[in-house]
Amino acid sequence: DIVMTQSPDSLAVSLGERATIDCKSSQSVLYSSNNKNYFAWYQQKPGQPPRLLIYWASTREVGVPDRFSGSGSGTDFTLTISSLQAEDVAVYYCQQYYDIPWTFGQGTKVEIK
Amino acid sequence: EVQLVQSGGGLIQPGGSLRLSCAASGFTVSTNYMTWVRQAPGKGLEWVSVIYSSGTTYYADSVRGRFFISRDTSRDMAYLQMNSLRVEDTAVYYCARAEGPLDHWGQGSLVTVSS
Repeated sequence: DIVMTQSPDSLAVSLGERATIDCKSSQSVLYSSNNKNYFAWYQQKPGQPPRLLIYWASTREVGVPDRFSGSGSGTDFTLTISSLQAEDVAVYYCQQYYDIPWTFGQGTKVEIK
Repeated sequence: EVQLVQSGGGLIQPGGSLRLSCAASGFTVSTNYMTWVRQAPGKGLEWVSVIYSSGTTYYADSVRGRFFISRDTSRDMAYLQMNSLRVEDTAVYYCARAEGPLDHWGQGSLVTVSS
């Protein structure tokens, strides 16, 4: 199984400041035939289902604010929130859909400092 | 508009069975992958099962042989039949459309396994 490890487990950022979450996979999720990373980021607020933010490692889902961006390739990925807003308080998960079983990171809780 | 509406769930004793349903609208389940993901209380997300558009199914090791995913393409429904339930299966279960990433999710169904 591909293990997804996020860091940090939690972080507190001031409003308007940058938040950065890292995710490392135990093996590459880059599919060489199409040069796509089978990797996504999700946001989950309390009492709600997860929401897809970023897929193919760096493609923003429709309706997601442009302060959210994804980067990385292979085994190392980053989610950046360029200017944290109050509504961004949530738990963020990374996920690989390269191989069954699909696996998620343990989650990173983002709070306001 | 793509929407997934779940039903089922509840309190069940260990060893019991339960079926979760997921009604899709705005797309057809026959041409999409449908998946189930669960979240134990206060914990992270755990993938459970997927049914491909071809009908091929896969399961997490933790549920293989006990849980069964299916679909009714005439009704655009997906199901998760859960048998031999254990206390550790207690979780909120989400269905989701899986077009590669999981791009649309149901509202979740709470399953509590307890005597």
